[in-house]
Amino acid sequence: AQSVTQLDSQVPVFEEAPVELRCNYSSSVSVYLFWYVQYPNQGLQLLLKYLSGSTLVKGINGFEAEFNKSQTSFHLRKPSVHISDTAEYFCAVTGRDSGYALNFGKGTSLLVTP
Amino acid sequence: DAGVIQSPRHEVTEMGQEVTLRCKPISGHDYLFWYRQTMMRGLELLIYFNNNVPIDDSGMPEDRFSAKMPNASFSTLKIQPSEPRDSAVYFCASSATGTLAKNIQYFGAGTRLSVL
Repeated sequence: AQSVTQLDSQVPVFEEAPVELRCNYSSSVSVYLFWYVQYPNQGLQLLLKYLSGSTLVKGINGFEAEFNKSQTSFHLRKPSVHISDTAEYFCAVTGRDSGYALNFGKGTSLLVTP
Repeated sequence: DAGVIQSPRHEVTEMGQEVTLRCKPISGHDYLFWYRQTMMRGLELLIYFNNNVPIDDSGMPEDRFSAKMPNASFSTLKIQPSEPRDSAVYFCASSATGTLAKNIQYFGAGTRLSVL
């Protein structure tokens, strides 16, 4: 089975500063990795995904993530955050032996302040 | 498409009562997932269906929980009897086979359940 660990439960950052949200995964098989965002009182929305190919993945809202197999990481980055990026961010993994169901991390709360 | 539709958005009930949560997946999607989100445990997969058939219900916490999918456009998650520890946000998500290998799941807005 696969699992992910989000190393930071909360990340405070000032507006226009860069941010990195960390995610590490464990798996014995090939994986697919995802980042979802959840705005207050809403469902989850897909930010980006890694399936295969280029290890640098670009998503919506200016976010990107890099798949690093040797470090089993899939960190999410944005060079300049906005107040509107304040939300909960979830890293998720799936693989062949998880029956295509997603295993989510505990989430990282990003708080952007002026 | 209207996306995944869940109802009700909020449910407040008393301990011991039966609770039914509803989900309408995106038309054409053949996978449906039920998740529960709590502060303590985060997002947990409860059960998922493929073509209306339950595939994995190992995440269902106990016999008080049951889920059905009578047709491709409707699913229910029932808790009977409900307990305060069931208080959580319950999400439904759907996915289509064509995108399954990419596992792009589309989530509903969730049902916030409070059991008093």
